[in-house]
Amino acid sequence: DAGVTQSPTHLIKTRGQHVTLRCSPISGHKSVSWYQQVLGQGPQFIFQYYEKEERGRGNFPDRFSARQFPNYSSELNVNALLLGDSALYLCASSLSLAVSTDTQYFGPGTRLTVL
Amino acid sequence: DAKTTQPPSMDCAEGRAANLPCNHSTISGNEYVYWYRQIHSQGPQYIIHGLKNNETNEMASLIITEDRKSSTLILPHATLRDTAVYYCIVRPRGSNYQLIWGAGTKLIIKP
Repeated sequence: DAGVTQSPTHLIKTRGQHVTLRCSPISGHKSVSWYQQVLGQGPQFIFQYYEKEERGRGNFPDRFSARQFPNYSSELNVNALLLGDSALYLCASSLSLAVSTDTQYFGPGTRLTVL
Repeated sequence: DAKTTQPPSMDCAEGRAANLPCNHSTISGNEYVYWYRQIHSQGPQYIIHGLKNNETNEMASLIITEDRKSSTLILPHATLRDTAVYYCIVRPRGSNYQLIWGAGTKLIIKP
């Protein structure tokens, strides 16, 4: 069975540019969450989506946005890139939102480098 | 802020049991303890989770103290492939699915 997939695996951008990262959840999973992981730190929560609606947002600026599609895949968009946006961006999927012990499964991540 | 405290690094000999501690002294009654690990530059991998009782699966065992203020993840027969950063996370029951991660423990398995 395919796990969570993310594309691209690596990306290099320059300051001020825009980037779109993509995530396909495990088949049957309806919830997708996005995390940013800076080198040497644990992941930081950015967004959670369930049934195409935003259900949670972390402490990130409005330059960060996301959406979920009818097939439950998701995109993370970052505008006006800064050097500090360089990080590993992780997508995680879970079956649903309401199940109290639902487990998140992570994709391999997209390594974004901003020059 | 992360609600857990873990040692920054630990060593373990290959073939031995690796015991990774985690303190979560402010845990609430409805919060679960989750463990993930992350092998260098890969996505985190789910290991195990529990609420009150000890849990075991094919990867590891989770021992939670009676007062639930601390827990220990046990890898029974560590291999070199178990070298990774291990994260202990507490997560409340309910619809808020945000996981708050600390810095984790870097576990190095030595031959």
